[in-house]
Amino acid sequence: TQLLEQSPQFLSIQEGENLTVYCNSSSVFSSLQWYRQEPGEGPVLLVTVVTGGEVKKLKRLTFQFGDARKDSSLHITAAQPGDTGLYLCAGAGNQGGKLIFGQGTELSVKP
Amino acid sequence: DSGVTQTPKHLITATGQRVTLRCSPRSGDLSVYWYQQSLDQGLQFLIQYYNGEERAKGNILERFSAQQFPDLHSELNLSSLELGDSALYFCASSLSLSGGFYNEQFFGPGTRLTVL
Repeated sequence: TQLLEQSPQFLSIQEGENLTVYCNSSSVFSSLQWYRQEPGEGPVLLVTVVTGGEVKKLKRLTFQFGDARKDSSLHITAAQPGDTGLYLCAGAGNQGGKLIFGQGTELSVKP
Repeated sequence: DSGVTQTPKHLITATGQRVTLRCSPRSGDLSVYWYQQSLDQGLQFLIQYYNGEERAKGNILERFSAQQFPDLHSELNLSSLELGDSALYFCASSLSLSGGFYNEQFFGPGTRLTVL
């Protein structure tokens, strides 16, 4: 069974601080997505990483895929209150196109 | 706006009842996925349809069923509802069978089901 473990589950920081969210598994994934979800809404795709060791940047967000394609991280620089939300990592399962989601990291950025 | 639509937004019903959730995928997408999100289980894959045919199943209860119609919209039917079925139900779509080249899926706004 493929599982993704995210840490930390909750993160409360002040505006301007940096943070990193981790997504780990014992399984290899062909690709890994990061989503952001706000209360009462659906997850919104932020980025997809495919190649081991790949690094992608989206403004203040940096995403990295582990060399063995078993783990990923999301680093936010100088967090802002608008970054508040639930961050989810999701890996492509070995059955069709289903996504396996981590439990999520609830981020709160206080002004 | 992902282009995926879901109705209704909210649904309140009683135990033992049956409900139908509806999803319209993004224009051109052939795959539709259903996920359930609850506080204790997180986002869990239920079922996938591709161009009208069931292609993958997750931990979907026997009381739940789905179908995808010729116009590619999909419906998720939940019957003999229990309190524990209260959750957010999301539909996602993608262009191809394997979720697009990178398995990218685009999610609708969800249906919040409350079973009383």
